[in-house]
Amino acid sequence: ETGVTQTPRHLVMGMTNKKSLKCEQHLGHNAMYWYKQSAKKPLELMFVYSLEERVENNSVPSRFSPECPNSSHLFLHLHTLQPEDSALYLCASSPSGGSSYNEQFFGPGTRLTVL
Amino acid sequence: AQKITQTQPGMFVQEKEAVTLDCTYDTSDQSYGLFWYKQPSSGEMIFLIYQGSYDEQNATEGRYSLNFQKARKSANLVISASQLGDSAMYFCAMREGSSNDYKLSFGAGTTVTVRA
Repeated sequence: ETGVTQTPRHLVMGMTNKKSLKCEQHLGHNAMYWYKQSAKKPLELMFVYSLEERVENNSVPSRFSPECPNSSHLFLHLHTLQPEDSALYLCASSPSGGSSYNEQFFGPGTRLTVL
Repeated sequence: AQKITQTQPGMFVQEKEAVTLDCTYDTSDQSYGLFWYKQPSSGEMIFLIYQGSYDEQNATEGRYSLNFQKARKSANLVISASQLGDSAMYFCAMREGSSNDYKLSFGAGTTVTVRA
């Protein structure tokens, strides 16, 4: 059983819709991540939160808006998306800290289709 | 520049045989960590094995072993005695040692198909 859950698992939305992806981790970790995985491309890091503060934002378009209300929950709010935003969105968590051993535990992902 | 390079887009392997997945990396850090993940068709990324840059011995976890050649900057994954359930996409990843850097850089992945 994974310690990181994501809902919904599948989402189809129109370009004018507003939706949110939810991630929850039960591992006691302090860092959480959003990744985007498009077909035939490496995973792209979108956002990193450590102790509920955003520490990295890799120039993601503003139509993606993250929220981290506490160390166990992470949201990705979506609005006015484009068809090219269709992808698998993966959430991950890890213990925070400076060690290079920083295994990230991933959730099952939300497969998003934008029509 | 690409930090992680996986040159094999897809591989076929016969059941019970071993397969080696290539991974080369690029970093100027002395301290870094290398990871391999498995992604079955269900989508979840499953951690397989870790190698630290200062580890003198190659990492092993069950049927997985990592062939770490630091001078060549390669970290190949060896899966021994392949099973049908090993069919998946495999990603090599690296975390560089900066204390403020949480980022894992991933390669493009290699699809492994195990044949009966």
